[in-house]
Amino acid sequence: NAGVTQTPKFQVLKTGQSMTLQCAQDMNHEYMSWYRQDPGMGLRLIHYSVGAGITDQGEVPNGYNVSRSTTEDFPLRLLSAAPSQTSVYFCASSFTIAGNTEAFFGQGTRLTVV
Amino acid sequence: GQQVMQIPQYQHVQEGEDFTTYCNSSTTLSNIQWYKQRPGGHPVFLIQLVKSGEVKKQKRLTFQFGEAKKNSSLHITATQTTDVGTYFCAGPSSNTGKLIFGQGTTLQVKP
Repeated sequence: NAGVTQTPKFQVLKTGQSMTLQCAQDMNHEYMSWYRQDPGMGLRLIHYSVGAGITDQGEVPNGYNVSRSTTEDFPLRLLSAAPSQTSVYFCASSFTIAGNTEAFFGQGTRLTVV
Repeated sequence: GQQVMQIPQYQHVQEGEDFTTYCNSSTTLSNIQWYKQRPGGHPVFLIQLVKSGEVKKQKRLTFQFGEAKKNSSLHITATQTTDVGTYFCAGPSSNTGKLIFGQGTTLQVKP
């Protein structure tokens, strides 16, 4: 059982480049989300999805796009990378959106924008 | 908006000492979850508390949920080097149900 799989694990981008962070889960979870983690800031929600075809913004959505064409996949797109987007990105999934079910996290993507 | 605050942000202890991290919400929570993130790793679910005043134990870890369901604590007895990491509390937003994470407490243990 793979759980939540994120790729790549590490990435260096130049300012202005675009890229997609991949996230896939094999637990048939409805709810998927993307967080960024910065020192002293905890986990901040970027975007989330409550099911295929449905996405919404979280706390810090600017500069990021998402789509959810299937239950399994929830890619995060950086449109034009900026140094402020240097961070560790985590994808998570849970059975429902209700915060009473365990969230499963991917291994993370460590992104540096130069 | 709703906030979940954790203190302290960092804690250094000698191996064998006890450790406690505190979590406070600006609103009443239906439940609270705790996660552990090892250095370089990803958050991993530890436990969920639901009832007012609930206390749960996992070996040397004791989790409490306050009577008013607005605060929680994690206490580790006799820390070991394997306890090193960042501990997060998280509670559901009263508006959307989405999990709101505290800033985390990073624990360092000196052998």
